[in-house]
Amino acid sequence: EVQLVESGGGLVQPGGSLRLSCAASGFTFSSYAMSWVRQAPGKGLEWVSAISGSGGSTYYADSVKGRFTISRDNSKNTLYLQMNSLRAEDTAVYYCAKATEELIVVVIYDYWGQGTLVTVSS
Amino acid sequence: DIQMTQSPSSLSASVGDRVTITCQASQDISNYLNWYQQKPGKAPKLLIYDASNLETGVPSRFSGSGSGTDFTFTISSLQPEDIATYYCQQYDNPGFTFGPGTKVDIK
Repeated sequence: EVQLVESGGGLVQPGGSLRLSCAASGFTFSSYAMSWVRQAPGKGLEWVSAISGSGGSTYYADSVKGRFTISRDNSKNTLYLQMNSLRAEDTAVYYCAKATEELIVVVIYDYWGQGTLVTVSS
Repeated sequence: DIQMTQSPSSLSASVGDRVTITCQASQDISNYLNWYQQKPGKAPKLLIYDASNLETGVPSRFSGSGSGTDFTFTISSLQPEDIATYYCQQYDNPGFTFGPGTKVDIK
């Protein structure tokens, strides 16, 4: 059974940093691209970032480019999102999602985690 | 980035009704379009991929069609458990944008 479990969310001050993790199980982690998708309170889904199965290719939304870094440790079956220079508008539930292919060419998310809440506030 | 629009933003329908949601892309995305269902407090769930392919295990009352810039999502007979918000998502270009969502409830 595929499982994705996010952790690392919490309350952080504007300008601060946070690192999210997503522990994956039930599939060959390195064979699939992964992504982060966020949802601000009461709002819709916003794609944040994607990484290929090998970790060699990454993409970012313009809203987080230069501030967030996606990475993965295939030996630990874990996806990460390093978030720096956080702003109030980054407040959201952050979901990790598994794609159906290794490369970031076919971006279909067939499994999602339960999400972790990040609140940016002073 | 490719912009996605959905209409309506919300709708109320009776059990058994046929429900149709449209999604429009700001440029041609071929059939690189997925549909997700999100129930309150839950993670999204994949229903339709590549515009018209039903994900394994999803009831056949859900369907999708379209290509290019105009897409349609249909629930052939609305059930109480279909109360949710539905999102389209394009993957033609990085940005992989989601539509703003359509909230469906029971009249």
